[in-house]
Amino acid sequence: KAGVTQTPRYLIKTRGQQVTLSCSPISGHRSVSWYQQTPGQGLQFLFEYFSETQRNKGNFPGRFSGRQFSNSRSEMNVSTLELGDSALYLCASSSGQGGQETQYFGPGTRLLVL
Amino acid sequence: AQSVTQLDSHVSVSEGTPVLLRCNYSSSYSPSLFWYVQHPNKGLQLLLKYTSAATLVKGINGFEAEFKKSETSFHLTKPSAHMSDAAEYFCVVESVTDKLIFGTGTRLQVFP
Repeated sequence: KAGVTQTPRYLIKTRGQQVTLSCSPISGHRSVSWYQQTPGQGLQFLFEYFSETQRNKGNFPGRFSGRQFSNSRSEMNVSTLELGDSALYLCASSSGQGGQETQYFGPGTRLLVL
Repeated sequence: AQSVTQLDSHVSVSEGTPVLLRCNYSSSYSPSLFWYVQHPNKGLQLLLKYTSAATLVKGINGFEAEFKKSETSFHLTKPSAHMSDAAEYFCVVESVTDKLIFGTGTRLQVFP
């Protein structure tokens, strides 16, 4: 089985712009979670999508949003970019059945905001 | 609320010597616990997970971890370090809503 894929792998944007990141889960997985990793804050949960619905949400401002398509692929959007949004954005997939599941991570998208 | 505390931000060992990465957890119920590893410029890879089936959990690459409820610990060990083990290691607990809560990470250095 192919693993979790994320595109693009690297991205450079300027303040005020918006960005869309994509995540394709492992085949058959219906849950996609997004995490932000920064040196200062570590790894933090953004949100989770399951069957095209946001099922879980972390403590991030409304500039961070996402969606999931019928094929379980997910996109994450960040509007009005700030310097502090520079981070590695990781997505993880699982079957979504809950309880003691393993989440499998993609390689991440490294976003640099100038 | 669930949380994990990784007691060491950096650990340095010589190749061939044992590795011990310490993690304490806090949870109001029997938690699911994980160790993930992140090599430079790579994503996160699952090393092992505890889900209450057995207190000693064996993972990939010779790593294992022991769940000790009395000490609320889930330390990661390996008998003999290899150069390729140099990476960042994260202790993780699963919340009641299934989201992962990460520790701050331990950077493992392995010297020849």
